[in-house]
Amino acid sequence: QKEVEQNSGPLSVPEGAIASLNCTYSDRGSQSFFWYRQYSGKSPELIMFIYSNGDKEDGRFTAQLNKASQYVSLLIRDSQPSDSATYLCAVTLSGGSYIPTFGRGTSLIVHP
Amino acid sequence: EAGVTQSPTHLIKTRGQQATLRCSPISGHTSVYWYQQALGLGLQFLLWYDEGEERNRGNFPPRFSGRQFPNYSSELNVNALELEDSALYLCASSLEIGRTEAFFGQGTRLTVV
Repeated sequence: QKEVEQNSGPLSVPEGAIASLNCTYSDRGSQSFFWYRQYSGKSPELIMFIYSNGDKEDGRFTAQLNKASQYVSLLIRDSQPSDSATYLCAVTLSGGSYIPTFGRGTSLIVHP
Repeated sequence: EAGVTQSPTHLIKTRGQQATLRCSPISGHTSVYWYQQALGLGLQFLLWYDEGEERNRGNFPPRFSGRQFPNYSSELNVNALELEDSALYLCASSLEIGRTEAFFGQGTRLTVV
């Protein structure tokens, strides 16, 4: 079964720390990988996408992709209380389907 | 540039009724995805439209249907509403097939009583 797995958390980190969020996927042919942030009661907001193995940095966010291990992660440096949200990992599956398939999300709490 | 817009924001219906939800994609985007997010659950894929055609549908009964108009806007119809259909319905758009950075609208909160 093709799926995307995330630890539901909550992941609690102190303000200023690095938050590390992880995601594994089962479809080895997956091509595109996304991280969304969703505040309670709001819609998901795209914060990062990555297509190639390695790291991609954007401000305080770094996405890391390892296709051999079927693993994608999101690092948030200098975490702020405003980063407290649910982070959703999404993967587009292989076989000509371009539909983003979502994990259940990891709840992140950044405490002052 | 305007983002994805959905209407209405909230919708209250009675069991057995029909609901129609609408979505306008970002200008220039041809693909529209519909997702259901029930309370405490993840995003479940409902339907994908591109260039006016239904490209794929998720594991939902046929009473969930929709269409995409020539201007790429889309509507989702849910017939014979059940209490379990109460959820946040999210629409996302992307530029084209293969450019799958999808951007979400604010969602429609459907409550079935």
